[in-house]
Amino acid sequence: SAVISQKPSRDICQRGTSLTIQCQVDSQVTMMFWYRQQPGQSLTLIATANQGSEATYESGFVIDKFPISRPNLTFSTLTVSNMSPEDSSIYLCSVEIGRGYEQYFGPGTRLTVT
Amino acid sequence: DQQVKQNSPSLSVQEGRISILNCDYTNSMFDYFLWYKKYPAEGPTFLISISSIKDKNEDGRFTVFLNKSAKHLSLHIVPSQPGDSAVYFCAAYNTNAGKSTFGDGTTLTVKP
Repeated sequence: SAVISQKPSRDICQRGTSLTIQCQVDSQVTMMFWYRQQPGQSLTLIATANQGSEATYESGFVIDKFPISRPNLTFSTLTVSNMSPEDSSIYLCSVEIGRGYEQYFGPGTRLTVT
Repeated sequence: DQQVKQNSPSLSVQEGRISILNCDYTNSMFDYFLWYKKYPAEGPTFLISISSIKDKNEDGRFTVFLNKSAKHLSLHIVPSQPGDSAVYFCAAYNTNAGKSTFGDGTTLTVKP
């Protein structure tokens, strides 16, 4: 298993600003994932972040809007840039440990954009 | 096109009875199926999984059934407990793609 922490746990931001979300894991992992859960909806994968390489973004998500850093095997950041109210969501990071299909999630960051 | 669907947004059962949560999928390339449980203000936690080559997997009070021909899986919780009240997400994993696709979730309420 893994213990994953995220900062901040929640934030209220103004339209047009940016927020950087941090994800810390208590063990070294190869792949980290960033998800978005909009109100009442499913978890949608934003991107996969491998250490030492550029993040791989899913359809509908672009690096300019959601830049990701992965400086080492235990840490990653996701920035939500030039925010609009439509970006109000819960943002979650996750890792794969052991069996590749089983993921461990952080507690999430609840973002509200006004 | 939503590849993983949970058609029931909510389910309410009495404590001690069986809870049955359902999930349908469309992509035949999925080779593992998983259920996650999510409490408010927490991230989803892994509950149970099943390989596409099996039709049943059991872990304590939790059993997952897979019907490949119908592209349908279900999670049975017996007996249900008030602490089981949470949002349950069905997920399907494609090994070649290296990622999971999630359903919209079903909110389970177990009444004492």
